[in-house]
Amino acid sequence: NAGVTQTPKFRVLKTGQSMTLLCAQDMNHEYMYWYRQDPGMGLRLIHYSVGEGTTAKGEVPDGYNVSRLKKQNFLLGLESAAPSQTSVYFCASSYSDRSLYEQYFGPGTRLTVT
Amino acid sequence: RKEVEQDPGPFNVPEGATVAFNCTYSNSASQSFFWYRQDCRKEPKLLMSVYSSGNEDGRFTAQLNRASQYISLLIRDSKLSDSATYLCVVNEGTNAGKSTFGDGTTLTVKP
Repeated sequence: NAGVTQTPKFRVLKTGQSMTLLCAQDMNHEYMYWYRQDPGMGLRLIHYSVGEGTTAKGEVPDGYNVSRLKKQNFLLGLESAAPSQTSVYFCASSYSDRSLYEQYFGPGTRLTVT
Repeated sequence: RKEVEQDPGPFNVPEGATVAFNCTYSNSASQSFFWYRQDCRKEPKLLMSVYSSGNEDGRFTAQLNRASQYISLLIRDSKLSDSATYLCVVNEGTNAGKSTFGDGTTLTVKP
């Protein structure tokens, strides 16, 4: 049982380049989330999904797109990377029962945009 | 004002000490509450959920005060391995996307 996995673990992009971050979970969770965490700051929600084929915007969605084509995968795309998107990106998943909103996180992707 | 506020610390305590963290939230409709632990350069991991009646897990006790809109985490007999950042999380309960994380409180336990 791998839990939540993320690829890649590290990436360096040049301004304007694009990339896709992949998140996978094997816990059969309905909900999945993408967060970013900047140094000394808390987690901020970028986008989330409550089920296969559905996505919604979080607190800081601009500059990112997401897709949830399969229940176990949640992809985060950066179409044209900017230095302001340098951050650590965490994916998480949870059950849909509101009494079980505990989120399980992946190990993170450290992205640097130069 | 932030929706979820924590004292950033750092809290520096000796081994064996008892330390308490508070977290205040602004949305009175909040229904679910959690404490997460985050080690340096690692992902957050659930420490414990916080129930209305309060709950305890070994050396850790979490309490909820709905009237004053705060939750607390008490750590007894601190260990070196307790050194980490502790994140308070509050969820409105009606929307999965409405989990709000505090910025965290940093704890360092010294020998």
